[in-house]
Amino acid sequence: DQQVKQNSPSLSVQEGRISILNCDYTNSMFDYFLWYKKYPAEGPTFLISISSIKDKNEDGRFTVFLNKSAKHLSLHIVPSQPGDSAVYFCAASAPTNTGNQFYFGTGTSLTVIP
Amino acid sequence: DARVTQTPRHKVTEMGQEVTMRCQPILGHNTVFWYRQTMMQGLELLAYFRNRAPLDDSGMPKDRFSAEMPDATLATLKIQPSEPRDSAVYFCASGLVGTGTTEAFFGQGTRLTVV
Repeated sequence: DQQVKQNSPSLSVQEGRISILNCDYTNSMFDYFLWYKKYPAEGPTFLISISSIKDKNEDGRFTVFLNKSAKHLSLHIVPSQPGDSAVYFCAASAPTNTGNQFYFGTGTSLTVIP
Repeated sequence: DARVTQTPRHKVTEMGQEVTMRCQPILGHNTVFWYRQTMMQGLELLAYFRNRAPLDDSGMPKDRFSAEMPDATLATLKIQPSEPRDSAVYFCASGLVGTGTTEAFFGQGTRLTVV
């Protein structure tokens, strides 16, 4: 049962335009959300996160938006650059009595066309 | 430059053989995760440890998989016997998880091919 879903396996965007990657979740107990970026033959690297008490977090060209009522978050990259081409994973975390663990989506492969 | 180190990076083995993957978490991190990357499931959590104690291994096929943390600098994931369907990239990640939530730092993965 996939608690974090990324319904778009791939996305292509022209350089300089905005990239919007989407993520949906089902567990209302999730209180922390993260985006990871993964290049081929490398491990995922942390990109940006957001706590459930916020609806927006911005870091340079990257902004994450959280809509708790819709159980939806999105990552905006603007302007997109060819170096942003990678697989992006959405992740969510929920507190448990044994601490937090992270649930990941299936990833969206972003291609930024020069 | 602190990082999670995984060995081997690649492993090709025959069906039925034992496979051991190793992970050195970042010094000072109290939580270690094992993930498997597949096309269908994305990053699938297999097991995780807090302060070396196993907290959740429900994602792991118990009959053939085992995860241990013999000391704070080493986590292992073992498959015995291995099967072709185990072919995937296995990631180890570590983090410092306490009253707040922080991100998990990933190793480069072990690409396992079982033929």
